[in-house]
Amino acid sequence: EADIYQTPRYLVIGTGKKITLECSQTMGHDKMYWYQQDPGMELHLIHYSYGVNSTEKGDLSSESTVSRIRTEHFPLTLESARPSHTSQYLCASSGDSTYEQYFGPGTRLTVT
Amino acid sequence: QKEVEQNSGPLSVPEGAIASLNCTYSDRGSQSFFWYRQYSGKSPELIMFIYSNGDKEDGRFTAQLNKASQYVSLLIRDSQPSDSATYLCAAFGSNYQLIWGAGTKLIIKP
Repeated sequence: EADIYQTPRYLVIGTGKKITLECSQTMGHDKMYWYQQDPGMELHLIHYSYGVNSTEKGDLSSESTVSRIRTEHFPLTLESARPSHTSQYLCASSGDSTYEQYFGPGTRLTVT
Repeated sequence: QKEVEQNSGPLSVPEGAIASLNCTYSDRGSQSFFWYRQYSGKSPELIMFIYSNGDKEDGRFTAQLNKASQYVSLLIRDSQPSDSATYLCAAFGSNYQLIWGAGTKLIIKP
């Protein structure tokens, strides 16, 4: 079944730790996105990719980095987590000739 | 001014009534528009998209687009408590990016 997956779903981690949030999709989509969303607040685009070896920063300044080595995989890394990184992180993808985005279930990150 | 504007709500509608959600956009080059539903703590889920002026119906949902006035609306007929959620409007802009509104919180009262 074509889908988009995110792991872990929930993560509680201490300040200063390095973390990687995983996102994979089996939809055959070229374009992938990372959004950050605080509870009750709007979506903020932090990274996107239009294909392998292509990554761009989004509208919201973020201390995270991303990579796109395989079409289906778009991990996000925080080198040193801080309490200000506490948020929900949503991964999405869209097809080459379509504009709508499909979202994974999200990772809720808490940095203590 | 935000590029895609929505009333944050909450919009309270009695069960069985029509809920009307509105969205305006500033980029005249936008050609495609999308409505997403987001339950609290969950990720956004695509409900409908519309490209052409006029109405597009899908079950209890009707999307309306008026490019001259730069607004998009979503009507939900026979509203159910399960429709209570935040509804996000998005426009595919001339910069080839989806521009998101902040969302309208809808509450359906039994």
